[in-house]
Amino acid sequence: GESVGLHLPTLSVQEGDNSIINCAYSNSASDYFIWYKQESGKGPQFIIDIRSNMDKRQGQRVTVLLNKTVKHLSLQIAATQPGDSAVYFCAENSQAGTALIFGKGTTLSVSS
Amino acid sequence: GAVVSQHPSRVICKSGTSVKIECRSLDFQATTMFWYRQFPKQSLMLMATSNEGSKATYEQGVEKDKFLINHASLTLSTLTVTSAHPEDSSFYICSARVSSNEKLFFGSGTQLSVL
Repeated sequence: GESVGLHLPTLSVQEGDNSIINCAYSNSASDYFIWYKQESGKGPQFIIDIRSNMDKRQGQRVTVLLNKTVKHLSLQIAATQPGDSAVYFCAENSQAGTALIFGKGTTLSVSS
Repeated sequence: GAVVSQHPSRVICKSGTSVKIECRSLDFQATTMFWYRQFPKQSLMLMATSNEGSKATYEQGVEKDKFLINHASLTLSTLTVTSAHPEDSSFYICSARVSSNEKLFFGSGTQLSVL
């Protein structure tokens, strides 16, 4: 079965709010994690990644948090904008050179 | 970032015909490419790993004779859906990794509709 999953299938926020998207993974051997954004009819777009030797990484308006104790990953989006509306996937990798395994995805809907 | 080009973006075909999808790495060499399939409102499911110069590795449940993968060069991998049927209708996405980096870059996807 899937080794990566998501707690919430949909998330609706107001423009300007902060968004938090969660992801649970089950493979304790996973050491690399990525968040992707996918807009309708398009391929996934890289947002941010994190390795297992870190617990936090920040990008532009986004922050990824990794809690290896409970095998939980989250994506925080600051000041969410309508253009952030999309499906967000977390993905993991446990062996260098192999494919990423994707979670189910969370649909983020931002209203203005 | 690295660019992965995929085409066609959309194809409609009759049942029983074959469809070829191309995936190119434009500004880097990709010894390994990955093919995913995505059904509506679902996640990406790995179909196969395409290795330049060797046979592809297919995931369990994916028919290798139906989904032919060719990776003849470091910048091109093709997926051919042979004798397509309506149940093969899906969004197919390729991806590639710059060899020294674990980040996967994705093509824009191909929406296949089999009538």
